[in-house]
Amino acid sequence: GQNIDQPTEMTATEGAIVQINCTNQTSGFNGLFWYQQHAGEAPTFLSYNVLDGLEEKGRFSSFLSRSKGYSYLLLKELQMKDSASYLCAVLDSNYQLIWGAGTKLIIKP
Amino acid sequence: DGGITQSPKYLFRKEGQNVTLSCEQNLNHDAMYWYRQDPGQGLRLIYYSQIVNDFQKGDIAEGYSVSREKKESFPLTVTSAQKNPTAFYLCASSNQDREVGELFFGEGSRLTVL
Repeated sequence: GQNIDQPTEMTATEGAIVQINCTNQTSGFNGLFWYQQHAGEAPTFLSYNVLDGLEEKGRFSSFLSRSKGYSYLLLKELQMKDSASYLCAVLDSNYQLIWGAGTKLIIKP
Repeated sequence: DGGITQSPKYLFRKEGQNVTLSCEQNLNHDAMYWYRQDPGQGLRLIYYSQIVNDFQKGDIAEGYSVSREKKESFPLTVTSAQKNPTAFYLCASSNQDREVGELFFGEGSRLTVL
């Protein structure tokens, strides 16, 4: 079956670093995406990984290990505006996106 | 500015009524999608369209219908046959020239059935 697992909720402190994990068991793999979604708003694209390794984009980095079916999103120098849900999605063998339920990240001062 | 516009943002309907959610994009994207988002679950694909006058069922198409008469527009009708229609509905589009899976989303429509 298709399964994407990520923690339901995480809490972190402003200025700190947080790592949000995502594990996938899907039929095939053609890439992994991270999206950010503020409450009541549209998801917005953060990153795309198709090869193993770390992709860095400013304060946000995304890591992928295809053999382990594992990815993480790393957020550095956390700001209050980073409070949001972070959605992990895998592109399966049919090039369909399979979505995780999202991780709600709460940032405290 | 280019983007995707969904309307209405909030909608209430009585059981047994059909309702149509609007989705318009001026990004010149070929592909458009409808997703449903429920608490504690990942986005689930209802319908998608890769080109005008053609669309495909997603994972949870039962009780929904769509049309794609124009490139810019992809309305979703939630019919009375949909057993549990209360949800947050998201429309998205994508450009074939970008990474497959990089979607641009509308602001969503929250439907509540009374």
